[in-house]
Amino acid sequence: QVQLVESGGGVVQPGRPLRLSCAASGFIFRNYAMHWVRQAPGEGLEWVAVISFDGSIKYYADSVKGRFTVSRDNSRSTLYLQTNSLTVEDTAVYFCARDVKRDYADYADYWGQGTLVTVSS
Amino acid sequence: QSVLTQPPSASGTPGQRVTISCSGSSSNIGSNTVNWYQQLPGTAPKVLIYSNNQRPSGVPDRFSGSKSGTSASLAISGLQSEDEADYYCASWDDNLIGVFGGGTKLTVL
Repeated sequence: QVQLVESGGGVVQPGRPLRLSCAASGFIFRNYAMHWVRQAPGEGLEWVAVISFDGSIKYYADSVKGRFTVSRDNSRSTLYLQTNSLTVEDTAVYFCARDVKRDYADYADYWGQGTLVTVSS
Repeated sequence: QSVLTQPPSASGTPGQRVTISCSGSSSNIGSNTVNWYQQLPGTAPKVLIYSNNQRPSGVPDRFSGSKSGTSASLAISGLQSEDEADYYCASWDDNLIGVFGGGTKLTVL
C-alpha cells in the first residue's frame, strides 16, 4: 500500500536551517509529482511547494520562495524540503503528499502523517 | 488570510443536508478545478472531491461538489456523526501556486 513517512522535524532556532524528508513506498515514486503542505498549530492548511516527477519543475508559495527548496531523489524514493532562514511563522506540521499527475499539480491522493517543525529560541 | 474564502463553521443534525461554500477569483477557481479535503481530528487530510465534482472510490455518494464561476460548494447529505471534521477547498492560481480555503469546521449536533 502507498505509504509516505515524513521525518526531520524538531525544534530549531530562528534563522537556522532544517531539512525535512519524506520516504515513499508502495508505488513507483518517479512517476508522480509531490507536494509539501503545512499546517500551523490550530490553523488551516497552507500549500508550500510542488515538484514534478523528474524534479525539473518546481513551484513555491510566496511565503517560502527564496527560503525553501524542494527536491527529490527518485533512486531513493525520497522527497526533501530544505528550509532556511526559519521564522516563528514557519512553525507547523509539514505534510508530504502525492499528486495524481506526473508533471503538473492536480490534487493530492495520498498524504503522510506529517512532521512537526517548531521554530523557537 | 487564505486566498479562498470559506465560512469558519457549519453545523447540522444527523440526516440533514449541509453545504459549505468556497469563494475565489477569476485567477484561481474561475480558471482551474476545485478539490475538497476532509481532515478528521488529529489526522492527515483526505481527498473528498476532485475536479469540481468527482468522488474518489470509497467516498460515499452523500458527498458532492459543484462549481460555478469563481465559487464552489461541497454538499453533504444524510449527515452522520463521523462527518464531524474540518473541510478545505483547494485550487490553483494561474501561476500554478496552490491555494487553500481557510477551512470549515463541521459540527454534527
